[in-house]
Amino acid sequence: GNSVTQMEGPVTLSEEAFLTINCTYTATGYPSLFWYVQYPGEGLQLLLKATKADDKGSNKGFEATYRKETTSFHLEKGSVQVSDSAVYFCALRRDDKIIFGKGTRLHILP
Amino acid sequence: EPEVTQTPSHQVTQMGQEVILRCVPISNHLYFYWYRQILGQKVEFLVSFYNNEISEKSEIFDDQFSVERPDGSNFTLKIRSTKLEDSAMYFCASSGAGVRTDTQYFGPGTRLTVL
Repeated sequence: GNSVTQMEGPVTLSEEAFLTINCTYTATGYPSLFWYVQYPGEGLQLLLKATKADDKGSNKGFEATYRKETTSFHLEKGSVQVSDSAVYFCALRRDDKIIFGKGTRLHILP
Repeated sequence: EPEVTQTPSHQVTQMGQEVILRCVPISNHLYFYWYRQILGQKVEFLVSFYNNEISEKSEIFDDQFSVERPDGSNFTLKIRSTKLEDSAMYFCASSGAGVRTDTQYFGPGTRLTVL
């Protein structure tokens, strides 16, 4: 079946550190891939997406590249800020629905 | 920037009562969705809706659940007889503007607490 696996949290980093949150997927074909972010007390916001192999999605300094050969879509940011503290969800689209990973909570310390 | 809105932000109800959760999707969108997130768990798909009918639903979406687009702007989720295990955050989403698109835009959610 279709599923998304992402690294367990919480992840705690100091401000300006490099961030990687790993995400791998299982799916038939080549689904669109997404990262959503949920800030404390808020809903889900689309952070970035990629719709085909080798596409790179980017937004707010975050990047993720659609890797067909490793079925991965790892999220990276070169220098995190305290304001990046949130829960990050990797997801794929299959037909009508978005299938989410469990989420990774990120804490950034000043 | 257009956004999906949901009301109420928090709903408390007694077990066995009916609840209606309301959503106003982005105005030119044609595809509508409900998801839920039980505390500490994954966000799960419930149902998708297009052209005034359900296009896909999950196993969770049983006979206790129904959706409706009562007018040109609202999209509702009704739970007929709530159970304790229905306590969750419910997210509405919408997508599409004439053609089916990948990006679903989510509302801020309604936290449902069943006592």
